[in-house]
Amino acid sequence: EVQLVQSGAEVKKPGESLKISCKGSGYSFTTYWIGWVRQMPGKGLQWMGIIYPGDSDTRYSPSFQGQVTISADKSISTAYLQWSSLKASDTAVYYCARDLYSSGRYGMDVWGQGTTVTVSS
Amino acid sequence: EIVMTQSPATLSVSPGERATLSCRASQSVSNNLAWYQQKPGQAPRLLIYDASTRATGIPARFSGSGSGTEFTLTISSLQSEDFAVYYCQQCGNWPPRFTFGQGTKVEIK
Repeated sequence: EVQLVQSGAEVKKPGESLKISCKGSGYSFTTYWIGWVRQMPGKGLQWMGIIYPGDSDTRYSPSFQGQVTISADKSISTAYLQWSSLKASDTAVYYCARDLYSSGRYGMDVWGQGTTVTVSS
Repeated sequence: EIVMTQSPATLSVSPGERATLSCRASQSVSNNLAWYQQKPGQAPRLLIYDASTRATGIPARFSGSGSGTEFTLTISSLQSEDFAVYYCQQCGNWPPRFTFGQGTKVEIK
């Protein structure tokens, strides 16, 4: 079964750092892009950026460039999303998803279960 | 950045009726468009990719159409499990800026 499993919920204080993870299984992790999507409370989906684990080519939405870092460790089939200094406005659910772009199709077909990040003093 | 605009924001439909959801791109995205369904507390689920191809396991009552800047998701006969929020996403430009629409909530009339 193809799946992405994300790390558990986090509660952090403003200014703290955080790294959440997304582990793929059941497919060739290095040959599909992995995207990250933010969903703030009660709001819609926001595309944050994408990484190709095969060579770590990473692209960001202009809205998130410089705010987060996306990385991957292909040896353990895991992608990451990290913050160096969290803000209250980073409170959201974060999803990772497999992107079909490298196979010439357009969409994100497998999603992680989401990681809830709460930032509060 | 390409802006995706969905309409209406909310659609009230009775079970068994047809629902038509629209998505407009601020510039042409060819057929590089996907549709997702999201229910409360759940991750989004891919329904349609490449504007008109149903994803694996998606019932035939869901269909997508359009190209360029105008797209439509049609649910031919709404079932109780179809009441949810639906998002379109353009996903083909490079460098990637795979923006989502703001969503359409399909609710029970």
